[in-house]
Amino acid sequence: QKEVEQNSGPLSVPEGAIASLNCTYSDRGSQSFFWYRQYSGKSPELIMSIYSNGDKEDGRFTAQLNKASQYVSLLIRDSQPSDSATYLCAGKRGTGRRALTFGSGTRLQVQP
Amino acid sequence: DTGVSQDPRHKITKRGQNVTFRCDPISEHNRLYWYRQTLGQGPEFLTYFQNEAQLEKSRLLSDRFSAERPKGSFSTLEIQRTEQGDSAMYLCASSQAYDTGELFFGEGSRLTVL
Repeated sequence: QKEVEQNSGPLSVPEGAIASLNCTYSDRGSQSFFWYRQYSGKSPELIMSIYSNGDKEDGRFTAQLNKASQYVSLLIRDSQPSDSATYLCAGKRGTGRRALTFGSGTRLQVQP
Repeated sequence: DTGVSQDPRHKITKRGQNVTFRCDPISEHNRLYWYRQTLGQGPEFLTYFQNEAQLEKSRLLSDRFSAERPKGSFSTLEIQRTEQGDSAMYLCASSQAYDTGELFFGEGSRLTVL
């Protein structure tokens, strides 16, 4: 079992819709979570971080964390074609390993 | 500040040859990471430095791989006796001393082993 699991997609949504990206993790030592966006042929860039249970909103993005269910999600409201990319979920332990562990990513396609 | 710089951007080599990649992090960042990414996969952790100290190394990293950060600035990743399975994008990232989890990635060094 991978430490961080994501559906590879592609997830296809129409422009203006809400895109919902999901991630589960197996390491209960993971304390903080991150969503990175990776455009084709480019390197990942951080778009959201979340450290505690509940929701965190930043513009059109909302990250959700449920530690009891070991579940992380990212909602993108009013999806735009420019949001088309691979979204990587990553977890980080509170102790021990300090590096991020990434999932394999979900490819999002926003149809104009 | 030009961000994280990696060199070379592309490297084609024959199986059995040694290759070395260089990473120059953002100047004020004291943490440096190496990841490897293959098509359709997320970045896979290889190793991590804080200043010049190599604090973590993936169990997946064979002894053909070695990384250094001699003066706590730039880092090198060397792969000895390359194999076709080493073909991948090698990503370097850096972060600030305060560990927010925000990594700044370079553009990567793509390795093709023939």
